[in-house]
Amino acid sequence: QKEVEQNSGPLSVPEGAIASLNCTYSDRGSQSFFWYRQYSGKSPELIMFIYSNGDKEDGRFTAQLNKASQYVSLLIRDSQPSDSATYLCAVNMRSGYALNFGKGTSLLVTP
Amino acid sequence: GAVVSQHPSRVICKSGTSVKIECRSLDFQATTMFWYRQFPKQSLMLMATSNEGSKATYEQGVEKDKFLINHASLTLSTLTVTSAHPEDSSFYICSANDRESEQYFGPGTRLTVT
Repeated sequence: QKEVEQNSGPLSVPEGAIASLNCTYSDRGSQSFFWYRQYSGKSPELIMFIYSNGDKEDGRFTAQLNKASQYVSLLIRDSQPSDSATYLCAVNMRSGYALNFGKGTSLLVTP
Repeated sequence: GAVVSQHPSRVICKSGTSVKIECRSLDFQATTMFWYRQFPKQSLMLMATSNEGSKATYEQGVEKDKFLINHASLTLSTLTVTSAHPEDSSFYICSANDRESEQYFGPGTRLTVT
């Protein structure tokens, strides 16, 4: 079983701070990496995807990938209370594009 | 972005009955759809991969005779939970790939078996 590991949290940060979410994966053959946000009782919504080593920025979000270390992270700058949710890391399992999800990290942004 | 719908959003059924959940891609054709299940405080677990016009591929541990999947067209896949039991109560989520292989999730179906 290929594993995707995340710290379950909760991670608590004050409003305006940077939230750092981490994820490791076991399958060296993984090609695509995704971060989803999931509010309680709702379906996941895609925040970002990253395919290549390095950083990828989109607004307040930055994804970082290090394939040698099998590590992917998500930084959220200027965190807002509305960012409070569970963040799921996912990697592709096979060429059929099904996703293998981590258990998620619960983020709480306090006003 | 592309839209995937699911119906119903919530369903309560009695133990031993069957429930059908529909997943539709509203504005694109999806050759592949995926069915996931999420128990409380757990992550999404892939149940099966559904390809239009062919049999679904089930993940290890998922009973294909209990969870019947039909992908009759490029915009519709259905999941039927047969002879449902309380342990089948879960959040069922489908997703679909468009031609660019980006994956879109439906809003999910909350199944409660009493």
